[in-house]
Formats: sequence, C-alpha cells, structure tokens
Amino acid sequence: EADIYQTPRYLVIGTGKKITLECSQTMGHDKMYWYQQDPGMELHLIHYSYGVNSTEKGDLSSESTVSRIRTEHFPLTLESARPSHTSQYLCASSDVGQVGSPLHFGNGTRLTVT
Amino acid sequence: AQTVTQSQPEMSVQEAETVTLSCTYDTSESDYYLFWYKQPPSRQMILVIRQEAYKQQNATENRFSVNFQKAAKSFSLKISDSQLGDAAMYFCAYRRTGNQFYFGTGTSLTVIP
Repeated sequence: EADIYQTPRYLVIGTGKKITLECSQTMGHDKMYWYQQDPGMELHLIHYSYGVNSTEKGDLSSESTVSRIRTEHFPLTLESARPSHTSQYLCASSDVGQVGSPLHFGNGTRLTVT
Repeated sequence: AQTVTQSQPEMSVQEAETVTLSCTYDTSESDYYLFWYKQPPSRQMILVIRQEAYKQQNATENRFSVNFQKAAKSFSLKISDSQLGDAAMYFCAYRRTGNQFYFGTGTSLTVIP
C-alpha cells in the first residue's frame, strides 16, 4: 500500500488550462521530488524540496512550479498547460535522516493536454 | 557529473529461468548507494534492492541479487526463477551524498511463459 499519494491518477485537459497535481506523503519525509517520465522512458527531475518553504529546480527545465507549505504536501502547478506537457508525473519522497534511504514513489499522474 | 547507463533497452527471459540486467555508473565519490527499481505497466515504481558502496558483500532479496563491482563501477541485477509478475521496466539508480538520485534509461523485461 502506497504511503505517498498522487491525485488525480489520470487527467485530460485542454490547452491553456491551469492545473495542480497533488502529492501527499504520510511518512514524515523531509525531502520530496517531482519527476517527469514519458512512457517507457527515463525519469527527469523537475523539482525537489528539502523541507517546508524550500524548493529547487531540477535538472530538466520545466514551466511548472511547486510549493511546500506543509511537510506532507508538495503540489505541482502548471499555469497554462500545453500539449508539450503531456507526460507522466511521478512524486517521490525520501528520509533524509536515514542513511541510504531510497526514494518512495507515488502512483503517478498521467497528464494529457489536448 | 554522475551518469547511470543501462545498455540493454529490452531483455526477455523464459519463465523460471535466470536473467541479468546490466548497469554501469560514473562517479568520483567513494561513498554512495545504488538501487534497482521496478515499474510494472501503469503501476507504481517500487524498490527492488539496495546496495551500499562501502559494503563488499552483494545484496540479495529473495530471487533478486546484485553483482556489485565497485572498481568497475558496475551494478547488475540478477533475477532467478523468473516469474510472469517480474515483467516490468527496471531502472538502475545512483544516490550520491545530498540525496540526489540519478536514474538510468531503463530496461524493459519481458517474461515468456
């Protein structure tokens, strides 16, 4: 059973719409991540956070923004969706306090922009 | 820069047989962690196995084991007695100090009944 939850699971929206992808974790992890993954392809880090009020951009340039107001919540927002944003978005967390802690992933949100 | 290379985009194995997925990485660090993740179609990415670089002993988890060659910067995954449920994308990942993770491009494993 997942300890990290993403909603919605699937989303189809029109170009220009503003959307927010939700991610919540119940493990108390400080660090959270957003990855973008095209089907069957590698993961690209787009945002991460070390804790509340801390956010950083990842390796892949993205037009999305994130916020971290609460430890357990790390939403990702697209102000104006475009077809190029069509992809799968994976949220993950890790326990900074545990040496060698792996990433824990959510189920992902598969976004289609028409 | 850290890079992770998985040279096998696709692999197949007969049910009950053994298959090895390869992974190499590049790093200048001496202390790090390596992981194999499994991503079944349309399902959650889950951790398969983890290896600490300072440990010479290869990690094992039931039917899954690794061959960790630190000097060669190689980290292969062996799946024994393959089952239909093992069919998935497998990603090799490197974690450096500071909690940054780097992923390979993945290997798609097909299990043939």
